[in-house]
Amino acid sequence: QKEVEQDPGPLSVPEGAIVSLNCTYSNSAFQYFMWYRQYSRKGPELLMYTYSSGNKEDGRFTAQVDKSSKYISLFIRDSQPSDSATYLCAMTVSSYGKLTFGQGTILTVHP
Amino acid sequence: NAGVMQNPRHLVRRRGQEARLRCSPMKGHSHVYWYRQLPEEGLKFMVYLQKENIIDESGMPKERFSAEFPKEGPSILRIQQVVRGDSAAYFCASSPPLSKGDTQYFGPGTRLTVL
Repeated sequence: QKEVEQDPGPLSVPEGAIVSLNCTYSNSAFQYFMWYRQYSRKGPELLMYTYSSGNKEDGRFTAQVDKSSKYISLFIRDSQPSDSATYLCAMTVSSYGKLTFGQGTILTVHP
Repeated sequence: NAGVMQNPRHLVRRRGQEARLRCSPMKGHSHVYWYRQLPEEGLKFMVYLQKENIIDESGMPKERFSAEFPKEGPSILRIQQVVRGDSAAYFCASSPPLSKGDTQYFGPGTRLTVL
């Protein structure tokens, strides 16, 4: 069993839809949770960074962490074609330690 | 403020040759991490370095791979005697000193192709 599980998709939605992406994990020691966006043949770009359980909102993006269920989510409101990318969840035990990534979910937002 | 820089962006090597990948962290960042991304797979941690020190190399293959982050200059990931299975995208990330508590920011990657 992988430490971090993420449905690779692909996920295809119409423009303006609400997108829900999620990851589950098995290591209860994870404390810091991140979402990265990766466009084709580019480096991962940090979207959201949260510590422990709770919600965090930044523009059209909302990250949720439920440590009791070992489940994290990323919601994208009013999705745009420019949101089409691979979304990677990542987590770590300490703020300066190695990141453990999910496999990534491929998202396509069509006009 | 320049981000994480990696060079070369693309590298082609024949089997048995050496590959050297370079990473310059963001200004003010003193921690460097290397990750590898194989086709159709997520990123896998390889090594974590601070200046002149390897902090965690638990993800590094035991043979042929080495990394350094000297006092002056970029971090180097070195792969000796490359094999076709080494073909992948190699990403470097950096983060600020511990006191500033922040996460990792990634460079554009080096795509290694072994012929």
